[in-house]
Amino acid sequence: SQKIEQNSEALNIQEGKTATLTCNYTNYSPAYLQWYRQDPGRGPVFLLLIRENEKEKRKERLKVTFDTTLKQSLFHITASQPADSATYLCAPGELSFGAGTTVTVRA
Amino acid sequence: DGGITQSPKYLFRKEGQNVTLSCEQNLNHDAMYWYRQDPGQGLRLIYYSQIVNDFQKGDIAEGYSVSREKKESFPLTVTSAQKNPTAFYLCASHKTGSNQPQHFGDGTRLSIL
Repeated sequence: SQKIEQNSEALNIQEGKTATLTCNYTNYSPAYLQWYRQDPGRGPVFLLLIRENEKEKRKERLKVTFDTTLKQSLFHITASQPADSATYLCAPGELSFGAGTTVTVRA
Repeated sequence: DGGITQSPKYLFRKEGQNVTLSCEQNLNHDAMYWYRQDPGQGLRLIYYSQIVNDFQKGDIAEGYSVSREKKESFPLTVTSAQKNPTAFYLCASHKTGSNQPQHFGDGTRLSIL
C-alpha cells in the first residue's frame, strides 16, 4: 500500500533561516507532487505543484525539489518569517496526503 | 469570491444519532471529496465524486454515506455505525484534468456528546 512519510512532526527555526521539510513516499510513482499549507482549525491551502519531469520549482521564498528515483521531495522556506508558522502537507499524486510537518518560526 | 463552504464549523453527535455535514462549492468543479483528519495522521479519503449522481468509496467509507444530487453540493452523513466519529472533516473540490490542485473548505469538527 502507499505510504507517505514527512520528517519530524515539528520544526522550530529562527526567523531569517531556511526551513527544509522532507517528504518520502513508497509503493507508487505519482506523476506530480503537491505541497499545501494548513493553519490551525482551517483547511489546507495549495502552495506548489511539481511534475515528475521537473527537478525544481520556485514561488517567491518557497522552493520544491522532486526526485522520482529517491521517491522524495524537499520543500524549502527561505528567509523564514513568523507568518510562515503552519503545518505543511505533502501530497504525492491526487488523493494521498502526508501527516504534515509543523513549522514554528521564532522572531 | 469562489470557494467551498462547510457547515457547521462544530458539531456534536449523540449516541445512535446520524449527523450530516454540509459542503457547498461555487467553483464549478466537477469533482468533490471528503477527508477525515486525525491528529498525527494524514488526510484519509472517505468518499469522492467525479460527476453528479455518481460517487465512489475511499479508504475509510464504512459508517459514512454521501449523495451528489447537485454539482455544487456533496453532503456527508456520519451514521451511528461509525463508532469513532470524533475528527476534523474536510471537504475539497477539484477541477478535472491533470495537475490541478484541490481546493478545501475550512472543515467541520465533530465530537461525541
